[in-house]
Amino acid sequence: GAGVSQSPRYKVAKRGQDVALRCDPISGHVSLFWYQQALGQGPEFLTYFQNEAQLDKSGLPSDRFFAERPEGSVSTLKIQRTQQEDSAVYLCASSLTGANTEAFFGQGTRLTVV
Amino acid sequence: AQSVTQLGSHVSVSEGALVLLRCNYSSSVPPYLFWYVQYPNQGLQLLLKYTSAATLVKGINGFEAEFKKSETSFHLTKPSAHMSDAAEYFCAVRRRSTGTASKLTFGTGTRLQVTL
Repeated sequence: GAGVSQSPRYKVAKRGQDVALRCDPISGHVSLFWYQQALGQGPEFLTYFQNEAQLDKSGLPSDRFFAERPEGSVSTLKIQRTQQEDSAVYLCASSLTGANTEAFFGQGTRLTVV
Repeated sequence: AQSVTQLGSHVSVSEGALVLLRCNYSSSVPPYLFWYVQYPNQGLQLLLKYTSAATLVKGINGFEAEFKKSETSFHLTKPSAHMSDAAEYFCAVRRRSTGTASKLTFGTGTRLQVTL
């Protein structure tokens, strides 16, 4: 596609429910990042993939958060047993190669846990 | 660890006035620096980036920023504000890397309001 696509755009989950957020990066982009943006804050790094390999997951806030990119393209961020503090916008970004190329961001998924 | 500090969570300027959004960074080695803009309910769009070429970087929509090592600053400016510039602006830092990509570390953002 022309840009990074994320779905759904909005998700309301009841506390304790599991959710799955999808990111479709720009075709051919090797690197993929997930960020969490709380209301009124800057995005914070969650995890990074190079192709299908998850090279950095140091930003995942708890073991309830899990990300995968099994075929090196589409990625899914899964949150188990959602809690109110998980409410945020989840942004996905992709870049063509590794080191020094521009990251393109999707529009994000706004998760609200009630 | 790298970090950026954005001074002023809200800035208001009149249309046609100078825009100045401040960003200071902390890094043990010269980093890469970025400014992103975020419109409501949108993702982040890159305005400009500093990657160690010219210290004065020109970006889209008439914005520019100057890397000042002595002041550890990377302030964003625009000579004349337009109503369409109203948005949230984020400064970000990334370490230099020759292999795998590295994450962006963002500031807390500055909301720019443009008034008539």
